[in-house]
Amino acid sequence: EDQVTQSPEALRLQEGESSSLNCSYTVSGLRGLFWYRQDPGKGPEFLFTLYSAGEEKEKERLKATLTKKESFLHITAPKPEDSATYLCAVQARGTYKYIFGTGTRLKVLA
Amino acid sequence: KAGVTQTPRYLIKTRGQQVTLSCSPISGHRSVSWYQQTPGQGLQFLFEYFSETQRNKGNFPGRFSGRQFSNSRSEMNVSTLELGDSALYLCASSLREGQSYEQYFGPGTRLTVT
Repeated sequence: EDQVTQSPEALRLQEGESSSLNCSYTVSGLRGLFWYRQDPGKGPEFLFTLYSAGEEKEKERLKATLTKKESFLHITAPKPEDSATYLCAVQARGTYKYIFGTGTRLKVLA
Repeated sequence: KAGVTQTPRYLIKTRGQQVTLSCSPISGHRSVSWYQQTPGQGLQFLFEYFSETQRNKGNFPGRFSGRQFSNSRSEMNVSTLELGDSALYLCASSLREGQSYEQYFGPGTRLTVT
């Protein structure tokens, strides 16, 4: 069964303290892995798509990487405005269903 | 380009009533998916429509239904509302072709059932 597990569930960082969020997945042939950011009461905001192992994408303080079993979202020198829930999703080849993880709630303290 | 829009943004209904939610995708996107989000369950997939046809369906009862129109706009209907249907309902659109499969979400409709 296709599955996505995110860890940790919650993370508190001091401003400037870099860290990584993990997304482990099992899927029968990966079409794509997606990272989203969600602020309370709002819809998820698209961040990155990764398609194959070894691929990396960057945007400001965020960098996403992909292996055959997991993806990491690295946050470098975070700021309080990076506080949000970060969601990971996968889409399997042969189906167009997206399977979401339960997210990592990130809080960055000033 | 305008983003995904959802109406209404907030809704309060009584148990047993029915409700219809609307979603307008990004121009050119032909795939529309619906999700239910609750604090305990996270994002749960309801169904996906592509070119007016339901292509995928999640594990929700038949009280949840949807449709897509020729202009790609989509509606979701929930009949015989239950207290447990209180949630944020999110719509997402996707180009769903070539290498572009990422979904773009609307702001959601917050449904409260009393």
